[in-house]
Amino acid sequence: DIVMTQTPLSSPVTLGQPASISCRSSQSLVHSDGNTYLSWLQQRPGQPPTLLIYNVSNRFSGVPDRFSGSGAGTDFTLKIIRVEAEDVGVYYCMQATQFPYTFGQGTKLEIK
Amino acid sequence: QVQLVQSGAEVKKPGASVKVSCKASGYTFTRYGISWVRQAPGQGLEWMGWISPYNGNTKYAQKNEDRVTMTTDTSTRTAYMELRSLRSDDTAVYYCARDLDYLDYWGQGTLVTVSS
Repeated sequence: DIVMTQTPLSSPVTLGQPASISCRSSQSLVHSDGNTYLSWLQQRPGQPPTLLIYNVSNRFSGVPDRFSGSGAGTDFTLKIIRVEAEDVGVYYCMQATQFPYTFGQGTKLEIK
Repeated sequence: QVQLVQSGAEVKKPGASVKVSCKASGYTFTRYGISWVRQAPGQGLEWMGWISPYNGNTKYAQKNEDRVTMTTDTSTRTAYMELRSLRSDDTAVYYCARDLDYLDYWGQGTLVTVSS
């Protein structure tokens, strides 16, 4: 199974400041079809997860442009250029390049 | 708009079975897969498996492969996840999600509590 490792596991951030979450996979996420099936999910307290970013860097419909994804191969990053109060929650990276799909442990974003 | 609506909370005894439903609307049901993901209290996300409503093909996580069955009913646009021989550590919120090689729409979740 592909192991997904996120850092940090907790990220206290000041409102209006940037935040960055790293996700590393135990093997390359490049699929034989050439795509890289790495996505980022946000889970607000008490809510189901919601999709933020798919295929490394594509923002899902309705996701604010302060969220961006980047990376390649085994190293990926989610960035929030200016954190807002509504961004509080847990962020997960997920790979769907290979079954079984696997998630990172989650990074808890909180406001200082 | 795409919606996935799941069945209500369940309380089961150890050794029993549970079957969670996930009714889809707002898109062509047979065009995309459905993945099931669970989340134990205070824990992260765990992928359980995937089913193609088009042809019924499935892929299960090895951990619970011998206890889980995923099915779909295309006439009612509903996906089902059955988990047998329930244990206390199966207590979790179970989610269905539309699968395009990323999980773009999620159900609201179904809490399954396993307790004697």
